[in-house]
Amino acid sequence: NAGVMQNPRHLVRRRGQEARLRCSPMKGHSHVYWYRQLPEEGLKFMVYLQKENIIDESGMPKERFSAEFPKEGPSILRIQQVVRGDSAAYFCASSRARQGVADTQYFGPGTRLTVL
Amino acid sequence: AQTVTQSQPEMSVQEAETVTLSCTYDTSENNYYLFWYKQPPSRQMILVIRQEAYKQQNATENRFSVNFQKAAKSFSLKISDSQLGDTAMYFCAFMKETGAQKLVFGQGTRLTINP
Repeated sequence: NAGVMQNPRHLVRRRGQEARLRCSPMKGHSHVYWYRQLPEEGLKFMVYLQKENIIDESGMPKERFSAEFPKEGPSILRIQQVVRGDSAAYFCASSRARQGVADTQYFGPGTRLTVL
Repeated sequence: AQTVTQSQPEMSVQEAETVTLSCTYDTSENNYYLFWYKQPPSRQMILVIRQEAYKQQNATENRFSVNFQKAAKSFSLKISDSQLGDTAMYFCAFMKETGAQKLVFGQGTRLTINP
């Protein structure tokens, strides 16, 4: 029973490039969440998605960041024109919650983004 | 908005000892969930234990147990018979029962188990 999968595990980008982070939820889970962890800090919520639908993006910066969870394939977190301040670990979590009813979130191993 | 506070940035104990990590939170919600997650050096986030606010009984998972005090908004984690593999960052997290399903995390406690 595969857990939440994220790739790549490590990503290096130069300032101004684009970063694409992928997340495949656990089998049977249809809800995906993205969190960001800056060095020596806790995780901060960014966005919550279901298939083809963004439910809550209140934690995501308004510019340069976007997320999607298509009908087929993994969820993608996209960061355009990266800056050094985007360097962080990005974690994806999934749950099988019905919308509006909470359930435990299980995390992937994270993608460590380094912006040079 | 909900907030979660972990007042102990670092803790260190000897192997086989018992250690308690503190967590307090602030919310106006009556129904919610509380979690402890562990982040070892591999940086994987691992669920340790979960508590539903409507349950009076404290959750237990093997050597891990919680002391949930709803009125005091306190949710501490006790690790018994600590092992070297328990060395990790520990994060307390809050989630509302309905509506926004985002986890709100504390700042974390770095726990070191010494041989």
